[in-house]
Amino acid sequence: ETGVTQSPTHLIKTRGQQVTLRCSSQSGHNTVSWYQQALGQGPQFIFQYYREEENGRGNFPPRFSGLQFPNYSSELNVNALELDDSALYLCASSLRSGQANEKLFFGSGTQLSVL
Amino acid sequence: AQKITQTQPGMFVQEKEAVTLDCTYDTSDQSYGLFWYKQPSSGEMIFLIYQGSYDEQNATEGRYSLNFQKARKSANLVISASQLGDSAMYFCAMRGSLGGYQKVTFGIGTKLQVIP
Repeated sequence: ETGVTQSPTHLIKTRGQQVTLRCSSQSGHNTVSWYQQALGQGPQFIFQYYREEENGRGNFPPRFSGLQFPNYSSELNVNALELDDSALYLCASSLRSGQANEKLFFGSGTQLSVL
Repeated sequence: AQKITQTQPGMFVQEKEAVTLDCTYDTSDQSYGLFWYKQPSSGEMIFLIYQGSYDEQNATEGRYSLNFQKARKSANLVISASQLGDSAMYFCAMRGSLGGYQKVTFGIGTKLQVIP
């Protein structure tokens, strides 16, 4: 069973640039969620993709966007980077149950630094 | 709205002893699930245990148990027989029915350090 993999592991960008983060979901999973974890905080929900469509979004501006591909892998795109976007970005995959017991399986994250 | 509160920024425990990590939650959902995740320094969040809001018995997974008190809205994690490898950040989280169960809300975490 292949786990969730994310790339790159670390990234340094400057303010105003654009960035793309990638995630391969665990085999058998059809749903991908992205979370932002600022230093010293818990993860914050960005959005979720199911069947290649966004079907849930947290309190993040439109410059945060994503894609899910037919093989259930996913990308997170952030435009016009701001200093506050510096964080660990976590991808999580799951087998959508539409119920409270749906477990998330996380990758190791991408550490983004915006200078 | 959903909210998770973890009031212990850091905890120390002696190896082989038990430790309780506190978690309280706030939600207007009737149906929800509570989770605990472990985050080692590598960054990956590791699922530990799950408790459903309608489950009458406390969940257990090996050395982990969840002390669920629904009326008090608390979901404390108990780790028995602590090991050095248990040193990590621990996050309490909730998934609720409002919004179709899509979002998981996390607390700020508790840093656990196991002392030899």
